[in-house]
Amino acid sequence: AQSVTQLDSQVPVFEEAPVELRCNYSSSVSVYLFWYVQYPNQGLQLLLKYLSGSTLVKGINGFEAEFNKSQTSFHLRKPSVHISDTAEYFCAVSEIRGAGNMLTFGGGTRLMVKP
Amino acid sequence: GAVVSQHPSRVICKSGTSVKIECRSLDFQATTMFWYRQFPKQSLMLMATSNEGSKATYEQGVEKDKFLINHASLTLSTLTVTSAHPEDSSFYICSARDLSALAGGYNEQFFGPGTRLTVL
Repeated sequence: AQSVTQLDSQVPVFEEAPVELRCNYSSSVSVYLFWYVQYPNQGLQLLLKYLSGSTLVKGINGFEAEFNKSQTSFHLRKPSVHISDTAEYFCAVSEIRGAGNMLTFGGGTRLMVKP
Repeated sequence: GAVVSQHPSRVICKSGTSVKIECRSLDFQATTMFWYRQFPKQSLMLMATSNEGSKATYEQGVEKDKFLINHASLTLSTLTVTSAHPEDSSFYICSARDLSALAGGYNEQFFGPGTRLTVL
């Protein structure tokens, strides 16, 4: 069984500062990794995904994440945040050989960007 | 890009009534759709996997007789909350898997905007 841990439930940060949202996973097999963003009362939007290849993945809105297999981590970063980045962020995994490419989500991290 | 819609976006109902939520893939065919439930300030929990033309697969602890799922076509899945009670109040999100969007061995899921159910 796979699991995802997002270590920080809330991350307050000032506008234009850098931010890192942490994600660690556990799985007995290889996984695909994802970051989603959720704005209030909305569904999920895919920020970026790691399927294979380069461990540094660039996504939308200036976000990037790095897959670290030895540390089983997939931390999300942005060098300079905007007020509009305030949202809930979810890390998710899907086992590569799992049935149906089902996603398991972490608990979420609320990013709060202050002016 | 692939778009998934949900209807209604919000619904308020009285305890004991049934509520139907629709999930539609607008520009692609989805043989598989997923239904998630999200309580306030919590993560998404998979309720069931809906397969076109067959019975849904429910996750452990989800009552199949209470949460009826029908996937009658390649673009529509419905979730009916039967005899709703206040504890069923939640944000329900569906996703649809686009079999044509295969990359690196993974079929991407596209998420709907969610339906907020409030049971009085």
